[in-house]
Amino acid sequence: KQEVTQIPAALSVPEGENLVLNCSFTDSAIYNLQWFRQDPGKGLTSLLLIQSSQREQTSGRLNASLDKSSGRSTLYIAASQPGDSATYLCAGVDDKIIFGKGTRLHILP
Amino acid sequence: NAGVTQTPKFQVLKTGQSMTLQCAQDMNHNSMYWYRQDPGMGLRLIYYSASEGTTDKGEVPNGYNVSRLNKREFSLRLESAAPSQTSVYFCASSATQGGYGYTFGSGTRLTVV
Repeated sequence: KQEVTQIPAALSVPEGENLVLNCSFTDSAIYNLQWFRQDPGKGLTSLLLIQSSQREQTSGRLNASLDKSSGRSTLYIAASQPGDSATYLCAGVDDKIIFGKGTRLHILP
Repeated sequence: NAGVTQTPKFQVLKTGQSMTLQCAQDMNHNSMYWYRQDPGMGLRLIYYSASEGTTDKGEVPNGYNVSRLNKREFSLRLESAAPSQTSVYFCASSATQGGYGYTFGSGTRLTVV
């Protein structure tokens, strides 16, 4: 059974810093790995999708990597801004999508 | 805008009442899913439909039923609501099961009193 773990559960950093969010999964036979953002009281917004044949994806200040052999993915956020404050969810996808419990990120102005 | 539409956005039910949550997608996706999100528990899969005409149980199916009405629509029914079903419910779709990422609706916030 696929399990997805995200560390840390919460993170506060000063504005402008670069940061890394970590995600690990137990079953390396995933089709792809997807990162989402969720603002309080809102739905999920897809940030990046890494397919199993890829090692990383980039969108603006975000870069996500995938290492299937070690069961790990990271989300790198460059030059953080207060608007980046949200919960970030990692999800492993095989025949279903299994979510981690998320990292609550707070960027301090 | 293309995407996943859920109705209603908010609902309050009394214990024992029934209701149906509606979900529709206009992206021609084959697979659709229902999740619930609770504090400290994360997102948990209730039911999914890999393709039109099929439905399967997820992690927490008890107390729910689903109908894949057609390729676009996937509804979730609570036959006799219980306070334990107070949650935020999300519908999602994907082009194929496991492929090309998932798109989520904005959620239904359900309170059972």
